[in-house]
Amino acid sequence: KAGVTQTPRYLIKTRGQQVTLSCSPISGHRSVSWYQQTPGQGLQFLFEYFSETQRNKGNFPGRFSGRQFSNSRSEMNVSTLELGDSALYLCASSPSLGESTTFFGQGTRLTVV
Amino acid sequence: KQEVTQIPAALSVPEGENLVLNCSFTDSAIYNLQWFRQDPGKGLTSLLLIQSSQREQTSGRLNASLDKSSGRSTLYIAASQPGDSATYLCAVGDSGTYKYIFGTGTRLKVLA
Repeated sequence: KAGVTQTPRYLIKTRGQQVTLSCSPISGHRSVSWYQQTPGQGLQFLFEYFSETQRNKGNFPGRFSGRQFSNSRSEMNVSTLELGDSALYLCASSPSLGESTTFFGQGTRLTVV
Repeated sequence: KQEVTQIPAALSVPEGENLVLNCSFTDSAIYNLQWFRQDPGKGLTSLLLIQSSQREQTSGRLNASLDKSSGRSTLYIAASQPGDSATYLCAVGDSGTYKYIFGTGTRLKVLA
């Protein structure tokens, strides 16, 4: 059974650009969450999607957005990139909303220059 | 607002030692608590999950306990090995939103 797949693994962008990250959950999992990990702030919750609807949102500016498709795959978008957006972005999938069993992907390392 | 703290921030031990990692949280209204391992530049691997109604969970050389009333959890690693070197993260599942709130982690180094 394939794990959570995140693409791309590494990304370098320039300030002001926008970026889209992709996450394919484990087959059969319908809930996808996104987290940002930085050395200063640690791991912080961005948002959670279930059945193509955002169910929970963390305390991030509106530049951070996401969506989920009918096949449960999810994308997150960051517009007008800032240097502080440089981070490891982790996607987690679980069978259902609030399901305890959570599996994380390897992450996308975003560097903003 | 839930806050999760992990002590110590870093730990270096000789191989074979038993060790305890600590996690504390400020709000006892949690859904569950999960311990993760993260290797450098990698994602998170779930080690142990403790439901709010449980007191402990064991997997191999790992044992995690949960005391909700005091807002504490410990991860016990028996007979540590160099392969255990990693950052260990404690995450508390919020009972209202189910999102995880993470501690800042304990960076463990086991010396051969």
